This record gives sequence, C-alpha cells and structure tokens, in this order.
Amino acid sequence: NAGVTQTPKFRVLKTGQSMTLLCAQDMNHEYMYWYRQDPGMGLRLIHYSVGEGTTAKGEVPDGYNVSRLKKQNFLLGLESAAPSQTSVYFCASSYPTRTSGHSYNEQFFGPGTRLTVL
Amino acid sequence: GNSVTQMEGPVTLSEEAFLTINCTYTATGYPSLFWYVQYPGEGLQLLLKATKADDKGSNKGFEATYRKETTSFHLEKGSVQVSDSAVYFCALIIDWNTNAGKSTFGDGTTLTVKP
Repeated sequence: NAGVTQTPKFRVLKTGQSMTLLCAQDMNHEYMYWYRQDPGMGLRLIHYSVGEGTTAKGEVPDGYNVSRLKKQNFLLGLESAAPSQTSVYFCASSYPTRTSGHSYNEQFFGPGTRLTVL
Repeated sequence: GNSVTQMEGPVTLSEEAFLTINCTYTATGYPSLFWYVQYPGEGLQLLLKATKADDKGSNKGFEATYRKETTSFHLEKGSVQVSDSAVYFCALIIDWNTNAGKSTFGDGTTLTVKP
C-alpha cells in the first residue's frame, strides 16, 4: 500500500495564479483532511471531508476550496494565490475505531507539498 | 475550546541523554491523546497513543502516560539516539463521531540529538 500520497511535492507560484493539490489514499478511509504547517504555528486545519461528495470548513478555510468527488481523492484548490499561502500543506486520512469503550483514531499523513507564492 | 500546549523548543541533547517533552491539554470532554513524530522532509506519523486515564502508550523506546488529574501527556525516552532528531507533536481528539476525527495539535517541539 502506498498510504497517503500528495502531488506535487514542490511548487512555486506567482501571486494571483491558481493551482490544485492532489491527495490520494488507498486505505479506503472515509475521512480526509487538509492542513497547513507554518513555523511556530503547528498544524492548522483548512478543510476536511467525512465522505465522498461532502466537505466542510476547518480553522483557516479562506482562500481555499476543496472537492471530494471520489472516496480516495481529496483536492485542495487555490484560486488566486497570495504570499500568505506560502506554506507546507499536508493531507491526512483517518477511520473510526473503538477500543475499551472509547473512540479514537489516528491520522495518516502524506509527505507534504511545499508551496511558495512569490 | 480544546487546546494543547507543548514545551517550547528547540531541545538539544547529547546521545544517550534522557528526554522529556511536556504536553498539557485542555478539553471540553474526554480526549484520546497522541504523540506524532515528523522526521525532516516527511509527513507526521503516529508515535504512540493513549485513550483513557492512566493508560501508557509506548513505541520505539518512547513512553507517555495519560494523566487526567494533571491533564498531561508528557513524552519520555530513557536514552535518545541521533536518529530521534525530529519534530514531535502532541495532539488530542474529542468525541470522534461528532467532531469528524479532527485533531487539535500542539505547536511541535524540535529535538536535535548530537553524537
């Protein structure tokens, strides 16, 4: 299994350009997430999806759109890139599990996409 | 709301030293707790987890105990290696079903181990 894969690995954009980041998972997970990671700010949730055809806003959704047309894919779009969107973007997926009467899950992360907006 | 506070880094240790990275949390319910590790140039991967009070998670020589009374989940390792150099994230999840499995992460602690 490849797990969670992301394309591209690196990208440089000019302000105002658009692009789409692709996340794919082969673990049949229902839930998928997009995060951005910035120095000193940990991971912040951009958007997430609880199943094919559904998406929801996270903590920092402005300037991004997402789509989940297929269960295994979760796309993150930047319609008009801004320098503030320079970051490392991580996709993750997860599944519900239960143990000892409590519910928990772990998230499986992709390797990341390093995006620079000039 | 929910939050996770980690010991500020960076942390620099010599090989074979003892490691502690502090993590405390605030949560509106009964969380599950996690430590993730991020090696240079890679994504996060689960290091260990604990789902209820007094549980001890362990993996690769790392341990953390879920302390409900002190709302803490400190990461420890008795003897670190150069290969442990990475960024460590503490995280929690509250009520998986109603929160869609969303995690709250700490800001991360960078560990550098010198030979």
